[in-house]
Amino acid sequence: DTAVSQTPKYLVTQMGNDKSIKCEQNLGHDTMYWYKQDSKKFLKIMFSYNNKELIINETVPNRFSPKSPDKAHLNLHINSLELGDSAVYFCASSQFSGAKVNSGNTIYFGEGSWLTVV
Amino acid sequence: QQPVQSPQAVILREGEDAVINCSSSKALYSVHWYRQKHGEAPVFLMILLKGGEQKGHDKISASFNEKKQQSSLYLTASQLSYSGTYFCGTEMLQAGTALIFGKGTTLSVSS
Repeated sequence: DTAVSQTPKYLVTQMGNDKSIKCEQNLGHDTMYWYKQDSKKFLKIMFSYNNKELIINETVPNRFSPKSPDKAHLNLHINSLELGDSAVYFCASSQFSGAKVNSGNTIYFGEGSWLTVV
Repeated sequence: QQPVQSPQAVILREGEDAVINCSSSKALYSVHWYRQKHGEAPVFLMILLKGGEQKGHDKISASFNEKKQQSSLYLTASQLSYSGTYFCGTEMLQAGTALIFGKGTTLSVSS
């Protein structure tokens, strides 16, 4: 069983379209994330949710809207897609450590969704 | 603040050793190491905690110098399967365990 699963794995779409990526985790974790990896492999955090509550929003354009219906799911909706949105989007999850650092909690990544905007 | 990794790339033959470094200008509470193979997700290798506790991989070792705000990943007697991009991640000082990753070190091992 896949611990963190995302769909779709590949997505090719035209500029201006709206698309969604879905993510589900079966690890029982409270915290979920979206990371974006660009063509230079830079892995950058976009959002973090804890039990459906938005914790981190790293200056992502408001065309990107995460939605967490429950703590096991975190979806990413992207409006008015632009060429620069082409990237691999990784969903991830971990146990919630609150504001405590050095917790030892590990982040587990999904397989990634390859988005190409043409 | 993004941690800085060095070198950017390493080319090895099987059996050779490599060291990948990760440093931060801010205080480090923990360092997380991941490996990503081409076309795949990053996979957790190891976490080093402030205070010396280490959790992770038994074939790869690492060190964590809290005072120097540095960590090093040691890959000894490298195997073909070690090829990939290695990322170090440091914790964001906000709720949760979100990590900021370095730009990665690409390791290529050939036979």
